[in-house]
Amino acid sequence: EAGVAQSPRYKIIEKRQSVAFWCNPISGHATLYWYQQILGQGPKLLIQFQNNGVVDDSQLPKDRFSAERLKGVDSTLKIQPAKLEDSAVYLCASSRGGGGNQPQHFGDGTRLSIL
Amino acid sequence: DAKTTQPNSMESNEEEPVHLPCNHSTISGTDYIHWYRQLPSQGPEYVIHGLTSNVNNRMASLAIAEDRKSSTLILHRATLRDAAVYYCIRYSGAGSYQLTFGKGTKLSVIP
Repeated sequence: EAGVAQSPRYKIIEKRQSVAFWCNPISGHATLYWYQQILGQGPKLLIQFQNNGVVDDSQLPKDRFSAERLKGVDSTLKIQPAKLEDSAVYLCASSRGGGGNQPQHFGDGTRLSIL
Repeated sequence: DAKTTQPNSMESNEEEPVHLPCNHSTISGTDYIHWYRQLPSQGPEYVIHGLTSNVNNRMASLAIAEDRKSSTLILHRATLRDAAVYYCIRYSGAGSYQLTFGKGTKLSVIP
């Protein structure tokens, strides 16, 4: 079974530029998550999708971050414009469903550096 | 609020068993206990999860206290590849279950 795929692996941009990350979840997984992990901290949930609908985006800074999951499969996370504090690893995860008995499977993330 | 308490760090000798403790004293009846680990430069990796009964899989065992206020992740024979940050997570939610990561326990394995 192929794992969660993310690209790019690394990205360096200047502040105020825009950037996008792509995620392809495990086949058949209905629930998709985006996390932000700042150096030295645990991952923090940004947004959760069930199929192509948003379940929770309460921690997504909506003035600069946006995410979509068209057709309930792939997803993109965008930052526009980027700030210095957005430097972090952005992780995508997926699970079969959103219940507590469903483990999440993570990709290796995109490491974003803002200059 | 991670809702779990773990030691910041632990050490183990290679090929010895490791017991990683976690306290979750405010757990509710519908909360699952999930364990993930994260190696450097990788995303978190699912290890094991349980609700009330002890659980075993190919990676580890999970022992859950009878009152469910604490649990222990057991690695039966630590290897150098087990050196990672281990997160104990109370997987809870009304409607949508969400993982809230704390700081975890950094496990060092001594050859």
